[in-house]
Amino acid sequence: QQPVQSPQAVILREGEDAVINCSSSKALYSVHWYRQKHGEAPVFLMILLKGGEQKGHDKISASFNEKKQQSSLYLTASQLSYSGTYFCGTEIDSNYQLIWGAGTKLIIKP
Amino acid sequence: DTAVSQTPKYLVTQMGNDKSIKCEQNLGHDTMYWYKQDSKKFLKIMFSYNNKELIINETVPNRFSPKSPDKAHLNLHINSLELGDSAVYFCASSHRSSGTPGYTFGSGTRLTVV
Repeated sequence: QQPVQSPQAVILREGEDAVINCSSSKALYSVHWYRQKHGEAPVFLMILLKGGEQKGHDKISASFNEKKQQSSLYLTASQLSYSGTYFCGTEIDSNYQLIWGAGTKLIIKP
Repeated sequence: DTAVSQTPKYLVTQMGNDKSIKCEQNLGHDTMYWYKQDSKKFLKIMFSYNNKELIINETVPNRFSPKSPDKAHLNLHINSLELGDSAVYFCASSHRSSGTPGYTFGSGTRLTVV
């Protein structure tokens, strides 16, 4: 089952914060987050393994609630460079086969 | 050095033709993938190939066939191209035990069938 991402799209002003959610109906082994800029390939941001850990680099972090089968991506003090479509990829059976969400389009305005 | 390289970057062809897309990775990853991304940006897995085991997405028409001569290469051959095949095709690779656990994608091949 494809994970559900929300919101589908969000428009922010530079410096504002955003949260993107990814929910699955199945128990998850891991959640991946990727960003795809227009006309480019998706780029890996981070992976979260079951255990409820939170990860981050720079001003982008993520959490994974194993009990709720949900992950959230947090973008703090957004920069213009954060614009793009964010995808979560969920792994159910530790077989490294990802099931992808439909993406969340993030637009950052000056 | 490019980690995952795909050729060609653009491909315009007529309906009914046969075409191939090549993919090579120099990361030492043990699994490679082909994805189709349509105009709505949805990433659809087509094939994954791990240590000679091919995993096929059953919804992929048998006009599509992957060929992997070795662990570093996974090519995609498409027969009898149809208008609906127009999309961006991404190759990707991964290796769970590597220092970079995520997928690494190639730059994509934009296929246009006319």
